[in-house]
Amino acid sequence: EPEVTQTPSHQVTQMGQEVILRCVPISNHLYFYWYRQILGQKVEFLVSFYNNEISEKSEIFDDQFSVERPDGSNFTLKIRSTKLEDSAMYFCASTSGAWYGYTFGSGTRLTVV
Amino acid sequence: QQQVKQSPQSLIVQKGGISIINCAYENTAFDYFPWYQQFPGKGPALLIAIRPDVSEKKEGRFTISFNKSAKQFSLHIMDSQPGDSATYFCAASMGGNYGGSQGNLIFGKGTKLSVKP
Repeated sequence: EPEVTQTPSHQVTQMGQEVILRCVPISNHLYFYWYRQILGQKVEFLVSFYNNEISEKSEIFDDQFSVERPDGSNFTLKIRSTKLEDSAMYFCASTSGAWYGYTFGSGTRLTVV
Repeated sequence: QQQVKQSPQSLIVQKGGISIINCAYENTAFDYFPWYQQFPGKGPALLIAIRPDVSEKKEGRFTISFNKSAKQFSLHIMDSQPGDSATYFCAASMGGNYGGSQGNLIFGKGTKLSVKP
């Protein structure tokens, strides 16, 4: 069964450093998303991406965050200057369209120290 | 209005029993209601989903009941098994900004289910 692949599985970074989280969505999917989950809490929407541009973003997704689809397969989330409160599990997801459901990756656990 | 309220926070069920998790929403524009199952260290996995034009959907041991007038929906797990022990999230969304797209998911806070052997 097709999978959404995320790398790395765990990243530790110092506060103020830039991090890039990488995702390879399912190849025929058109809509891409980033969500995050702070330990023990609910999954929260960050941003959606379609046709090489952001289609929707949440209040969490401020100027420190950016997304990119640099080629036909990768989808990245960059955090420019990490803060302690950015520590969370970050999930990439993709879907082929309405009603088909999202496929989530296994996540990247980001720890900011 | 964008919230999805989920209960209970945790649930312990004996093997073979029925697990019931409830969710409520306010925004009548929501038109897609999925349930996700999440095991520790893994991403949420789609379990079953329903649209508001039907009141019930069943897939194997999993059933969604949907009450549009009450703005509530629930997940029933029949014959619960220890392997069902996981965190379950309900969610809701509406159509996205582009035709044919799905809007972002609003998740409930999750229910940690433990099925005792």
